[in-house]
Amino acid sequence: EAQVTQNPRYLITVTGKKLTVTCSQNMNHEYMSWYRQDPGLGLRQIYYSMNVEVTDKGDVPEGYKVSRKEKRNFPLILESPSPNQTSLYFCASSPHWGSQGQETQYFGPGTRLLVL
Amino acid sequence: AQTVTQSQPEMSVQEAETVTLSCTYDTSENNYYLFWYKQPPSRQMILVIRQEAYKQQNATENRFSVNFQKAAKSFSLKISDSQLGDTAMYFCAFMKPLLVMRFGAGTRLTVKP
Repeated sequence: EAQVTQNPRYLITVTGKKLTVTCSQNMNHEYMSWYRQDPGLGLRQIYYSMNVEVTDKGDVPEGYKVSRKEKRNFPLILESPSPNQTSLYFCASSPHWGSQGQETQYFGPGTRLLVL
Repeated sequence: AQTVTQSQPEMSVQEAETVTLSCTYDTSENNYYLFWYKQPPSRQMILVIRQEAYKQQNATENRFSVNFQKAAKSFSLKISDSQLGDTAMYFCAFMKPLLVMRFGAGTRLTVKP
């Protein structure tokens, strides 16, 4: 089944304790993105990647890191989480530009993070 | 910078009736895509419909259709014959190639029996 998976789905942590949220897709997609969703703000793009070793900042990259060492994986790293990073996080992937459905993003199920 | 505005935080509609959700956006780009996503209580993001800016014809997907007014930068979603399963948060989104994505704040739609 074609899908984007995220782990963990729920996480409670404390301020300053490094964490990683994994994202993996099995559709051989070039493009991957991370978003956070907050009430009243919709989804905001954190980082995106157009291919292996190519990443770019979105609108809210502060406090986050990403890496794209393999095509299928795009982990989100919070080096020193703070309470304002409490949010619902989504990973998404899409095919390369020029392909059918190039603009359609496939979203993972979301990761709910609470930072105390 | 591109912005997306959904001016209706909440809406409700009776089952089987028609409802229209509003969305406006601001951009200086000429080539872009617009989307409506549905987010039910499960929190899964589900693509409802998409529109390429260079296409004048409005997109339709079964009971869902859009009214795309490029000059006015408006992209409304019409849901016909509303069903209880349409109850969800709906997000309007803008994509500038490559992959820069902006979402509106969302409209919570409740379909009443």
